[in-house]
Amino acid sequence: GAVVSQHPSRVICKSGTSVKIECRSLDFQATTMFWYRQFPKQSLMLMATSNEGSKATYEQGVEKDKFLINHASLTLSTLTVTSAHPEDSSFYICSARDVGGANEKLFFGSGTQLSVL
Amino acid sequence: RKEVEQDPGPFNVPEGATVAFNCTYSNSASQSFFWYRQDCRKEPKLLMSVYSSGNEDGRFTAQLNRASQYISLLIRDSKLSDSATYLCVVRRQDTGRRALTFGSGTRLQVQP
Repeated sequence: GAVVSQHPSRVICKSGTSVKIECRSLDFQATTMFWYRQFPKQSLMLMATSNEGSKATYEQGVEKDKFLINHASLTLSTLTVTSAHPEDSSFYICSARDVGGANEKLFFGSGTQLSVL
Repeated sequence: RKEVEQDPGPFNVPEGATVAFNCTYSNSASQSFFWYRQDCRKEPKLLMSVYSSGNEDGRFTAQLNRASQYISLLIRDSKLSDSATYLCVVRRQDTGRRALTFGSGTRLQVQP
């Protein structure tokens, strides 16, 4: 079945570095991908909607210059956390829409646990 | 007020018990409803969609009351493997976005 691949699964980095997270749809084309963030014991919060070939749409309170999203192809979206700080430590997860079948489906990547020291 | 509200739990139940989770949503424009299951530090996985007529999948039964903006999930004959966090999820149509809005989840711990 359809699979969304997300890498890396875990990142530990120093404060001030940038981290790139990739999200790939493996056997379907995803014109739209979503990026979520989840802090411990909290719900998944939508950060932004990534649209292939156009600018991402960010949710209120999410800094677009800090969380750079690129969706250059129909199968790949990337999220770059620029100048990461300890408060950015969180579980980041992407999901992709597959509209190819009779019913639209959303598939999730396996998530990236980011720890900023 | 949160768009999707759930009792965080935890619900600690013995194997074989029946347990029910409730969820309310605030936006009447919500059109699609789901229950997802999430294990610790893993991606959420779709458990079932929720329809107005109510639907059942094995030991799981979901109900939707649009008038009350209320969703429920019933798990019968609980198994140890049912231990997880259950997320109530809605999708709105009005904004044109297709993203899901997640509740903060209800944690279930099934004990032997």
